[in-house]
Amino acid sequence: DIQMTQSPSSLSASVGDRVTITCQASQDISNYLNWYQQKPGKAPKLLIYDASNLETGVPSRFSGSGSGTDFTFTISSLQPEDIATYYCQQYDNLPALTFGGGTKVEIK
Amino acid sequence: EVQLVESGGGLVQPGGSLRLSCAASGFTFSSYWMHWVRQAPGKGLVWVSRINSDGSSTSYADSVKGRFTISRDNAKNTLYLQMNSLRAEDTAVYYCARDFSSGLVDYWGQGTLVTVSS
Repeated sequence: DIQMTQSPSSLSASVGDRVTITCQASQDISNYLNWYQQKPGKAPKLLIYDASNLETGVPSRFSGSGSGTDFTFTISSLQPEDIATYYCQQYDNLPALTFGGGTKVEIK
Repeated sequence: EVQLVESGGGLVQPGGSLRLSCAASGFTFSSYWMHWVRQAPGKGLVWVSRINSDGSSTSYADSVKGRFTISRDNAKNTLYLQMNSLRAEDTAVYYCARDFSSGLVDYWGQGTLVTVSS
């Protein structure tokens, strides 16, 4: 089974800061990686698919990069509404979907 | 507008059963694979099960294999999860989710809470 290691598990940053989250796969997953945002009490929302493609309607301050085993998710300028937990998810090893452990983003 | 609405959650005793439903609308339900994903209180997302578009192929996480059954009724645009022999560790919010393309999950329901406790 593919394991997804996400870091950090939490972070605190100021409004306007650049925020970076990393996700490492235990084996090559090509670009079969998504990033989701989950706000408290809400369902996850797809932000980035295929490692670097921005989902329609998602603000351009969100971006993703990487391939193979190492991936990065970036918020270029943190906004108050970005407070949430972010998850990476691989879909190279179907049918199972594997999620990272999540990164809780807070405002400093 | 794509909508997925789960129902059927609640409090059940260990060893008991529960059937979750997920009503889909706003898209051609019969064309999409579907998943169930769960989230224990304060924890991360964990994949539970998947079914293909016509219901002929299913897969399960090892933790639920032999206890849970995923199914669908394309005439009713509804996804199901039959959960038997429930354990305390099955306590979670259960989400149904649409598979846009081979594991790319693009829409999620709001979830239904299942609590297994005596």
